Amino acid sequence: AQSVTQLDSQVPVFEEAPVELRCNYSSSVSVYLFWYVQYPNQGLQLLLKYLSGSTLVESINGFEAEFNKSQTSFHLRKPSVHISDTAEYFCAVSESDAGGSEKLVFGKGTKLTVNP
Amino acid sequence: DVKVTQSSRYLVKRTGEKVFLECVQDMDHENMFWYRQDPGLGLRLIYFSYDVKMKEKGDIPEGYSVSREKKERFSLILESASTNQTSMYLCASSSAGNYGYTFGSGTRLTVV
Repeated sequence: AQSVTQLDSQVPVFEEAPVELRCNYSSSVSVYLFWYVQYPNQGLQLLLKYLSGSTLVESINGFEAEFNKSQTSFHLRKPSVHISDTAEYFCAVSESDAGGSEKLVFGKGTKLTVNP
Repeated sequence: DVKVTQSSRYLVKRTGEKVFLECVQDMDHENMFWYRQDPGLGLRLIYFSYDVKMKEKGDIPEGYSVSREKKERFSLILESASTNQTSMYLCASSSAGNYGYTFGSGTRLTVV
């Protein structure tokens, strides 16, 4: 069975500073990896995903994540954050060859707070 | 704009009541999921469905059941609500082979 560990439950940063939200996963098979974002009082939105190909994936709002198979990691980074990036971020994993099982296993989340 | 709609944003129910949480998607997605979200625990899968009238247990199905009579609708049922079922409930859907979930806005259920 897969599992996801988000190493930081809360990350406070100042505006325009870089940020890294860490995610490690555990699985005995090949995986797909995802980052979701949840703004206050809203549902989750897909931020970016790795299914295959380039190990570096990017979102439209400047976030990027790199799949590192040897380190079993999928850390999320942004070189310069804005106040509007304040949200909770969830890393998720799914088996890539699960015979039709497409359920995601989520981490416990990291609350990113961007301060002025 | 495609979306997943959860019928209630906030719900307060009494212990022992039978509770229905409704979820409707307009994207013709095959897969639908129910998660509960609790602070410090992240999202935990309750039940999911890959097709009409089909259901599979997730990681925490105890105390819950589901119904999927039509492709667009997936209902979560709390047979006899208890205070430990107070939580945020999130519905999601995805198309087969896509893996990109679309989430509803959630239902915050309080059981008193």
